[in-house]
Amino acid sequence: QSALTQPPSASGSPGHSVTISCTGTSSDVGGYNFVSWYQQHPGKAPKLMIYEVTKRPSGVPDRFSGSKSGNTASLTVSGLQAEDEADYYCNSYAGSDLGVFGTGTKVTVL
Amino acid sequence: EVQLVESGGGLVEPGRSLRLSCAASGFTFNNHAMHWVRQAPGKGLEWVSGISWNSGAIGYADSVKGRFTISRDNAKNSLYLQMNSLRAEDTALYYCAKDVCGGDCHSFDYWGQGTPVTVSS
Repeated sequence: QSALTQPPSASGSPGHSVTISCTGTSSDVGGYNFVSWYQQHPGKAPKLMIYEVTKRPSGVPDRFSGSKSGNTASLTVSGLQAEDEADYYCNSYAGSDLGVFGTGTKVTVL
Repeated sequence: EVQLVESGGGLVEPGRSLRLSCAASGFTFNNHAMHWVRQAPGKGLEWVSGISWNSGAIGYADSVKGRFTISRDNAKNSLYLQMNSLRAEDTALYYCAKDVCGGDCHSFDYWGQGTPVTVSS
């Protein structure tokens, strides 16, 4: 159960887009369509932003989108807003009732 | 309104035990898998353990396997985590999280506010 690999940081100007990658293996990200993404502001509990690779929970703006290619999943935030500045984590089912989170990415809105 | 309220955290000496509880309300508890996720101070999220709706499927992270036991009581809408042989590296904020699915989708749509566990002598 090695953590999924995310870039430590990403940034973009307001109104622009940022994409965060989440790289795993064929035993987790590549093997299942159960990749989810979470936003966490300082001192707060995480919030589900994307589940099952591309699905958006009700209430999450359509500026947030997810995709997957092979062993790498991605989260794209379009039309960046100040409130999007936060830590973002991916998670994947890894088979045999196991799961694994990514290392986390700090998104900065310039 | 979905609510998850964790309790049972605290300061404990290495090698001792602690039992965390999570009281759930606002949804049909026995329709959903549940999980424990932890976050060490200043660190990222770590999935700890998950249990399916009927307790038929249970998983543990390698870091806690053999020491922690997850369970649930659907009649009481409650989730538990029995933590034995605690180590300093178990120090973290422990979150209870609801799965979108009854099985294991590993998609956590609601989270509690967490209960802190500190392992220190």
